[in-house]
Amino acid sequence: KAGVTQTPRYLIKTRGQQVTLSCSPISGHRSVSWYQQTPGQGLQFLFEYFSETQRNKGNFPGRFSGRQFSNSRSEMNVSTLELGDSALYLCASSPGLIPYQETQYFGPGTRLLVL
Amino acid sequence: SQELEQSPQSLIVQEGKNLTINCTSSKTLYGLYWYKQKYGEGLIFLMMLQKGGEEKSHEKITAKLDEKKQQSSLHITASQPSHAGIYLCGADDGYGGATNKLIFGTGTLLAVQP
Repeated sequence: KAGVTQTPRYLIKTRGQQVTLSCSPISGHRSVSWYQQTPGQGLQFLFEYFSETQRNKGNFPGRFSGRQFSNSRSEMNVSTLELGDSALYLCASSPGLIPYQETQYFGPGTRLLVL
Repeated sequence: SQELEQSPQSLIVQEGKNLTINCTSSKTLYGLYWYKQKYGEGLIFLMMLQKGGEEKSHEKITAKLDEKKQQSSLHITASQPSHAGIYLCGADDGYGGATNKLIFGTGTLLAVQP
């Protein structure tokens, strides 16, 4: 099976702009989670989608949003970008049926640089 | 909230040497995951542990979850340059068992000198 794919891999934006990142999960997986990784804060959970519904949300401002489509592909959007949003954004997929007993498989990430 | 602390933060070993990385939780672990990350890239799944006392091995890497389920260790035998990278432990955050949400340790940077 193909792994988790993320597009684009690299992105440069300026403050105030908005950005949309895309994630395609492993075929058959219905859960997609998003994480932000920065040198200062490490890996932090953003949100999880399962069957087009947000199932959990981390402690991030409302500028961070996401959605999931019927084919399980997911997008996350960051509006009004700030310098501190520069990070590696990772998505992970899993079957989603039995949380706590499933492995999450990560994509290669999208590196976002905000100037 | 649950926190994961990894030690050491960084490690430099000579090729062929054994090493151990520890991950300690502030609360009982319901699922403990070990991942490896090359700088700036995605996480590669290594192993998942769920039961107290559980031990799993893959090639030269062994991971254990202690009986009290608050600490895990990752042991690499006869390290090779290919083992270099950042090792991260992750755990289910204990949120009601209904969602996939992992919290992560700060990571251990491993360098293997030829």
